[in-house]
Amino acid sequence: GNSVTQMEGPVTLSEEAFLTINCTYTATGYPSLFWYVQYPGEGLQLLLKATKADDKGSNKGFEATYRKETTSFHLEKGSVQVSDSAVYFCALISNRDDKIIFGKGTRLHILP
Amino acid sequence: DAGVTQSPTHLIKTRGQQVTLRCSPKSGHDTVSWYQQALGQGPQFIFQYYEEEERQRGNFPDRFSGHQFPNYSSELNVNALLLGDSALYLCASRTGLTAQETQYFGPGTRLLVL
Repeated sequence: GNSVTQMEGPVTLSEEAFLTINCTYTATGYPSLFWYVQYPGEGLQLLLKATKADDKGSNKGFEATYRKETTSFHLEKGSVQVSDSAVYFCALISNRDDKIIFGKGTRLHILP
Repeated sequence: DAGVTQSPTHLIKTRGQQVTLRCSPKSGHDTVSWYQQALGQGPQFIFQYYEEEERQRGNFPDRFSGHQFPNYSSELNVNALLLGDSALYLCASRTGLTAQETQYFGPGTRLLVL
C-alpha cells in the first residue's frame, strides 16, 4: 500500500542554519506530494505541494522537489528562524483514492 | 472568511462512553474528511463525506461513524470508547471530489479517554 517515510526527530538547529528533512514515499500511480506544518496547539497547515514529477513546491522560504526517480520529496530551507519550530509532516494523495497518507512527522527545534 | 472550525476543543470521557465531535467546513467547501492523530504520530484517515454520504473509509472499526448535514457540516461519533481512542481528531475540508484540491484542516478536538 501507499506509505510515507520521513526522518525521525527531533531535529535541533541554530537560527540561520540550513535545514533538510528527508522524505521518501511508496505509491501506486502518480501521487501528489505535500508538506504540512503543525505549530504548537494548532491544526495542520499546508506548507507546500507538488503534483507531478520534477515540480518544485515553495512557500515561506521552504522548498521541496518531486523526484520520481528516487521517490523523494525532501524539505529544505536555507536559513531557519526560531518561528519555524514546529512539527513537519510529509504526505501524499494517490490519484486512485482520496485519503491523505502522512508520515510520522519530524519535530524541529530552532535555537536562537 | 472563517476557516475550518471544530468543537469542542477538548473532551474527557471514560471507557465505554460515546462521543460526538463536530466540524464546520471552510466556506464554499462541500467535502469533509476526518483524521485521527495519536500522540507522536501522523494523522490517520478515518472517512470522508460528500453530498451527505460516506465516500471513502480508512481502517477503522464500525464504532466510528459519521454524518454530514445539508449545510456540509459534519459529525464524528465514536461508540464504546477505548483507552486507545485518546487522540487529536482533525477535520479537513475542500471542494468537490477532485483529490488534488487542497484540503484545509481545523485545529482539532483533543479527546482523552480514561
